[in-house]
Amino acid sequence: DIVMTQTPLSLSVTPGQPASISCKSSQSLLHSDGKTYLYWYLQKPGQPPQLLIYEVSNRFSGVPDRFSGSGSGTEFTLKISRVEAEDVGFYYCMQSVHLWTFGQGTKVDI
Amino acid sequence: QVQLVESGGGVVQPGRSLRLSCAASGFIFSNYGMHWVRQVPGKGLEWVAVVSSEGSNKFYADSVKGRSTISRDNSYNTLYLQINSLRVEDTAVYYCAKDHGAVGEDYFDYWGQGTLVTVSS
Repeated sequence: DIVMTQTPLSLSVTPGQPASISCKSSQSLLHSDGKTYLYWYLQKPGQPPQLLIYEVSNRFSGVPDRFSGSGSGTEFTLKISRVEAEDVGFYYCMQSVHLWTFGQGTKVDI
Repeated sequence: QVQLVESGGGVVQPGRSLRLSCAASGFIFSNYGMHWVRQVPGKGLEWVAVVSSEGSNKFYADSVKGRSTISRDNSYNTLYLQINSLRVEDTAVYYCAKDHGAVGEDYFDYWGQGTLVTVSS
C-alpha cells in the first residue's frame, strides 16, 4: 500500500496570513500516462470531505484561488495564500495511483 | 446539482449483516464509477470499495474483502454496500462518493453526508 504522510498534523493560523501543508508519499505518484494522481480535500466541521485540488495543482470547480497545490513525485504541498475563517477543518491529501489512500489529516484552526 | 444521500446505518451486533444504500441525483448515474469511503468518528478516511459505471468491475479494501459486496442499480440510481460478519472495527461513518470517471479509477469529486454504522453488542 502507498502510505501518505502529512505534516504538520495541526496548524493554528491567523486570518489573512498564509498556511502550508506538506504531504509525502511512500512511492512516486507519477503514472505512466504522465499524470500525477495527488489530490487535496477539506473536511469542514460536521461535513463530508470536499475536493479542493486534483492532479497536484488543479483547483476544483468553485474553489477559491487562494488555494494552490504544487509538487511532484513523492512530495507535495497545499498552500493557502490568505487564510479565512471558513477554511478551518481537516485537510487530507489522497493518492489514486494504486487504489486510494489518504494522509492522516491536518487540523487547521484559527 | 449532484446529490448523494446515504441510508441504512444504525446499531448492529457483531457478526450480523447490514446493507447501506446511496441514492444519487443531479447527474447521469450510469456514466460514473462509485465508491464507499468510511471514517471512524474523530479519525481519518479509509477507502472501502469501488464499482465501475456498468457494475462489472469491483474492488475492495483488504479490511472488508471477502465479507462485503458493492453493487449498483442504474435503473434506480442507487449504490449499495452489503457488509457481512460485522466487526466492532467496522464502526464508522460510511460515505458514498462519485468518481470523476466511468471506470472508477479516478478521484472522488462529490460526497454524500454519510450514514453512521455502530457495531456493538
